Amino acid sequence: DGGITQSPKYLFRKEGQNVTLSCEQNLNHDAMYWYRQDPGQGLRLIYYSQIVNDFQKGDIAEGYSVSREKKESFPLTVTSAQKNPTAFYLCASSIETIGPDEAFFGQGTRLTVV
Amino acid sequence: RKEVEQDPGPFNVPEGATVAFNCTYSNSASQSFFWYRQDCRKEPKLLMSVYSSGNEDGRFTAQLNRASQYISLLIRDSKLSDSATYLCVVNIGGGSYIPTFGRGTSLIVHP
Repeated sequence: DGGITQSPKYLFRKEGQNVTLSCEQNLNHDAMYWYRQDPGQGLRLIYYSQIVNDFQKGDIAEGYSVSREKKESFPLTVTSAQKNPTAFYLCASSIETIGPDEAFFGQGTRLTVV
Repeated sequence: RKEVEQDPGPFNVPEGATVAFNCTYSNSASQSFFWYRQDCRKEPKLLMSVYSSGNEDGRFTAQLNRASQYISLLIRDSKLSDSATYLCVVNIGGGSYIPTFGRGTSLIVHP
């Protein structure tokens, strides 16, 4: 079955550590996105990528980094510079070739700083 | 002003009721519109796309008003299982289409 997979589902990080969240899709989608969701809040865009080897900052990119070396993969690193990283992280993808299309989501990673 | 705005609610309604949510967007270049449903601690899932002519899927009806820059979602005959957060999503156009989310409207359907 085609879909988008995030791992791990739960992640605990010590202060000062970098952690990487995985996002893989087999939908052959060009565009991929990372969002952050805090309790009672909507989704805020961290980074997005429309093509391999290219990505753009979203609204809250500080303290995060990404790479897009393969079409299928868009990992997010939460660095120690992110001061409040505890949140629900969602990866999404969309076709985005000839026009806007719906976004498909992974199941999310819940990151907690301990 | 936020790009996509929704009333967070909660909307607390009895089973069988009809409930409507609105969502306003600020960018007139917005190209496409969606309603997603998000259950507690889960990922958002597409409920329906919103077309200029409006569209209906069973008990759910979505409308788009480009002149006033809002979309709406109407749920008829509410079920307990409709309890969730409903997210309005607008793809902002102008070269790249970025799904932009409202903060969501919480719906609670009670017996």
